Amino acid sequence: DIQLTQSPSSVSASMGDRVTITCRASQGIGTWLAWYHQKPGEAPKLLIYAASNLQSGVPSRFSGSGSGTDFTLTISSLQPEDFATYYCQQAYSFPRTFGPGTNVDVK
Amino acid sequence: QVQLQESGPGLVKPSETLSLTCIVSGSSISSAYYWGWIRQPPGKGLEWIGSIYQSGNTYYTPSLTSRITISLDASKNHFSLKLNSVTAADTALYYCAAAGRGDSFETWGQGTMVTISS
Repeated sequence: DIQLTQSPSSVSASMGDRVTITCRASQGIGTWLAWYHQKPGEAPKLLIYAASNLQSGVPSRFSGSGSGTDFTLTISSLQPEDFATYYCQQAYSFPRTFGPGTNVDVK
Repeated sequence: QVQLQESGPGLVKPSETLSLTCIVSGSSISSAYYWGWIRQPPGKGLEWIGSIYQSGNTYYTPSLTSRITISLDASKNHFSLKLNSVTAADTALYYCAAAGRGDSFETWGQGTMVTISS
């Protein structure tokens, strides 16, 4: 199975801050990586697919990069609705796996 | 656009079978390349538990392979999850999802909480 780790596990940030979350895979997965965020009481929402492609309707302040084993999600200017938990997920092979999550909360 | 809705009992007794259905609306179940089930124990992260392709091929998380079945019924436009011999460890919020571009889970249901308790 491909294991995904995320760092940091938690980050406190302020409105307007630039936030970067990293996801590392235990083996190369090309660009088969997606990013989601989940607000309390809601289902996860897809932000980025194939490592760097912005899902339709997702604000352009979100961006993704990386390939192989190292990936990054960046929020260029944090907005109130961005305080949430962020997960990466590999789509390279079965079993699909998710990272443990990164909680972005208010500083 | 496709919408998903999970349905099934919210309470299941230990050792019995958990059965959930994901109702697909707004589009044909043939519209997605594959479908999946993901669960989230209370206060924890996301766990992919299985997927089914249009072809009927299924893939399951190794820890559940002996207990899980996912099936698809195109005539009813839904797909289903059965998990037998459940224990308290199976208590979770269960989501169904549709795969899209990049094989990511593009569309999610709202989730249904299933509690395993006598």
